[in-house]
Amino acid sequence: GQNIDQPTEMTATEGAIVQINCTYQTSGFNGLFWYQQHAGEAPTFLSYNVLDGLEEKGRFSSFLSRSKGYSYLLLKELQMKDSASYLCAVRERSGAGSYQLTFGKGTKLSVIP
Amino acid sequence: SAVISQKPSRDICQRGTSLTIQCQVDSQVTMMFWYRQQPGQSLTLIATANQGSEATYESGFVIDKFPISRPNLTFSTLTVSNMSPEDSSIYLCSVMGGDYNEQFFGPGTRLTVL
Repeated sequence: GQNIDQPTEMTATEGAIVQINCTYQTSGFNGLFWYQQHAGEAPTFLSYNVLDGLEEKGRFSSFLSRSKGYSYLLLKELQMKDSASYLCAVRERSGAGSYQLTFGKGTKLSVIP
Repeated sequence: SAVISQKPSRDICQRGTSLTIQCQVDSQVTMMFWYRQQPGQSLTLIATANQGSEATYESGFVIDKFPISRPNLTFSTLTVSNMSPEDSSIYLCSVMGGDYNEQFFGPGTRLTVL
């Protein structure tokens, strides 16, 4: 099983930078995903990390430290449309060669003017 | 990325009734997944549906309560049986794909049980 922890809510100002942290405990780690979910909509894929380090994609970056069971999502030049929930999800190898994806409860980010 | 549609988008149902949710994908996929997202909670996997075999249910979910059909490689249904208010949730269909085998989600079905 997995234990994924991320802050429940965060508030940041338009144009600023915000970092959303995620810690996890798992065996058989096989990758960490970040998803964005606007209210009333389905989650959409943002980023994937399987090796340690930083992955940059435009205004969004994601970092992973496997030894620390830690990841963060960094959002730069915040825009009002970035107000959404951000879900951390960890994939692990389970029995019989299959994989299991477990989601955290999500961090609700509010961007204010 | 896959395009996934679900029907209905929302419904309000009476206790004790059943609702069948349909999921259609625009490409053939081996596995389809059904998730539940209760208010303020995370996404929880209900079951994995493979074409031509019985669905695999996660702990806490049983076939009698959530029967699943998977008649072909682009379609699946999830039935929520004998509903109670605790079943009020968003139900999401999902498939894997993309460069990282990430999950793509349908728009969800918002179910309210009175």
